[in-house]
Amino acid sequence: AIQLTQSPSSLSASVGDRVTITCRASQAISSALAWYQQKPGKAPTVLIYDASSLESGVPSRFSGSGSGTDFTLAISSLQPEDFATYYCQQFNSFPITFGQGTRLQIK
Amino acid sequence: QVQLVESGGGVVQPGGSLRLSCAASGFTFRRYAMQWVRQAPGKGLEWVAFLRYDGGNKEYADSVKGRFTISRDNSKNTLDLQMNSLRAEDTAIYYCAKGWKYLDDWGQGTLVTVSS
Repeated sequence: AIQLTQSPSSLSASVGDRVTITCRASQAISSALAWYQQKPGKAPTVLIYDASSLESGVPSRFSGSGSGTDFTLAISSLQPEDFATYYCQQFNSFPITFGQGTRLQIK
Repeated sequence: QVQLVESGGGVVQPGGSLRLSCAASGFTFRRYAMQWVRQAPGKGLEWVAFLRYDGGNKEYADSVKGRFTISRDNSKNTLDLQMNSLRAEDTAIYYCAKGWKYLDDWGQGTLVTVSS
């Protein structure tokens, strides 16, 4: 199975900061990667698919980049509602796998 | 708008069975692949199973292969997950989700607790 390793596992930042989260795959997955946001007690929602395509309705401060094995989620200017846990997911091959998550907390 | 509503969760003893259902509305269900994803308490997301739009292809995580069965009824717009030989480590919130590759809509989840 393809393993996804996110870094950092947790991150403290302030409103207005720019933050980046990385996701590294154990083998090349082309651009078959998505990013999700999950808030406490809620289901995840997709932010980015195909590594860099912004899901409809997602604010443009979110962006994704990368291909092959290294991927990045960037949030350009943190808003209060962005403090949540973020997961990457590969859909290049079964079994589908998720990263372990990155918890973004308010500093 | 898309709605996915899971049901069927509850408390079950180790070795027992449970059947989860997901009622879909707001989209043409028969045209979309569907999946189950679970999340143990305080833990990350774990993919469980995939089912092609026509039921023609099924995939499972190794952790549930041989114990869980995914199925769908396109005439009733429902997705099911039959879970047998349940173990304590199957305790989780189970989400149904729409999509072949990435998951663009999720239900609110149903909690399954495996405990004696």
